Amino acid sequence: GQNIDQPTEMTATEGAIVQINCTYQTSGFNGLFWYQQHAGEAPTFLSYNVLDGLEEKGRFSSFLSRSKGYSYLLLKELQMKDSASYLCAVRDWWAGGFKTIFGAGTRLFVKA
Amino acid sequence: GAVVSQHPSRVICKSGTSVKIECRSLDFQATTMFWYRQFPKQSLMLMATSNEGSKATYEQGVEKDKFLINHASLTLSTLTVTSAHPEDSSFYICSARDTGNDEQFFGPGTRLTVL
Repeated sequence: GQNIDQPTEMTATEGAIVQINCTYQTSGFNGLFWYQQHAGEAPTFLSYNVLDGLEEKGRFSSFLSRSKGYSYLLLKELQMKDSASYLCAVRDWWAGGFKTIFGAGTRLFVKA
Repeated sequence: GAVVSQHPSRVICKSGTSVKIECRSLDFQATTMFWYRQFPKQSLMLMATSNEGSKATYEQGVEKDKFLINHASLTLSTLTVTSAHPEDSSFYICSARDTGNDEQFFGPGTRLTVL
């Protein structure tokens, strides 16, 4: 089976840096995604890691360590609009193909 | 980027009726589509994997007779909530995997309210 853990809530200050951690256990790991979701909306894609290391994209960076079953999403220069839920998702291989399983999400509150 | 549409975006129905939700990949072919359900302040829960031309694969605890899935073409999958009850009220989101490059894209979601 799969197990994905991430903190429930985090609070940070506008302009600061925040790191959201995610640990996972899967049997057929085939990549890790980070999505942003605002209330009442569908998730939007932020990043995809399949190899170990850091992927940087503007203010957002994502890191993966497959041996540790660990990833983090780093948000720099926080803005108020970054207040949202951040979902860690793992693509897992099973007998019928791939499927993407989501963690419970981390609600980030950015304060002035 | 690739676009996935869902219709309707919002539906309100009476208890006992059936509701059909369509998910379309607009500019790519999707052999596989996924249906998720999200309750307020919770994460997305995978309900089933929809495969074009074959039966859907349901996650444990999801009733296949209540949530009928049909994936009749490479660009369309439908989810029918049969005999809906208030506890079925939720946000239903589909996701389509691009057969060409294996990327996965989400639709905008359908908010179902059963009275």
